[in-house]
Amino acid sequence: GAGVSQSPRYKVAKRGQDVALRCDPISGHVSLFWYQQALGQGPEFLTYFQNEAQLDKSGLPSDRFFAERPEGSVSTLKIQRTQQEDSAVYLCASSLTGAFSYEQYFGPGTRLTVT
Amino acid sequence: AQSVTQPDIHITVSEGASLELRCNYSYGATPYLFWYVQSPGQGLQLLLKYFSGDTLVQGIKGFEAEFKRSQSSFNLRKPSVHWSDAAEYFCAVGDYGGSQGNLIFGKGTKLSVKP
Repeated sequence: GAGVSQSPRYKVAKRGQDVALRCDPISGHVSLFWYQQALGQGPEFLTYFQNEAQLDKSGLPSDRFFAERPEGSVSTLKIQRTQQEDSAVYLCASSLTGAFSYEQYFGPGTRLTVT
Repeated sequence: AQSVTQPDIHITVSEGASLELRCNYSYGATPYLFWYVQSPGQGLQLLLKYFSGDTLVQGIKGFEAEFKRSQSSFNLRKPSVHWSDAAEYFCAVGDYGGSQGNLIFGKGTKLSVKP
C-alpha cells in the first residue's frame, strides 16, 4: 500500500511569505506527527494529532506555526511570515496508534528554503 | 528530560568490514529505544526497536543493537557492511514527558562505505 506522502517536496519562500505543507498519512493511521529537521541535526518534534484532535503542540517554535488535521486524515502545517531560521526539512509521520509500540512511518519530507 | 547522544558525526568503513554506531541516552527508567536510517531524499525507516526483554535486538537489513542499562547505551552493529548501507543513522528515545509516541532523536551519524 501507499506510504506517507508529503507535498510539495521542495519549497522556496521569500522571507515574510506564508507557506502550507501537506501530509497524507497512511490510511487508517490514528496518529500523526510533525517533525522539523534542521541541516545536520536530528528531527525535532513539533506537534501531534490523534485523529482530528491536536493533543500536543509543545514543539511548535512560535505562534507563526499552525497545524491542522480537520477530518482526521490529511494534515497541513502552515508557517506564517516565514523567517530564515524556518529553513529546514519538515517531516510527517503516521502511526497506527500513538503508543511507542507501533512504528512511526515517515514521509520523505518537505525541504523549505527561506530566502 | 530525556536526551540522546550520538558521539560520532561521520564514520567511514570499508565494504565487508564490521560496523558499530554508538548511542547514549539519558532517562531514569527503562526507555523505549529506536534506530532509524535515512537515505538521501528519503524518509526515515525504522531498523529496530527495544522496549523490554532480551537486550540484544535484531532488526532489518542484518542490523542488531544491544541495550546496556549500566552504560546507558544502545549501540547499533552490523557484522559486514554493504555499499548500500551508506546513509545517515539516527538513534531515538520515546518521550515519556510529551505526548504519546513522539520521539527524541540524536543528531545522527553519517556512514560512508569505501569500496
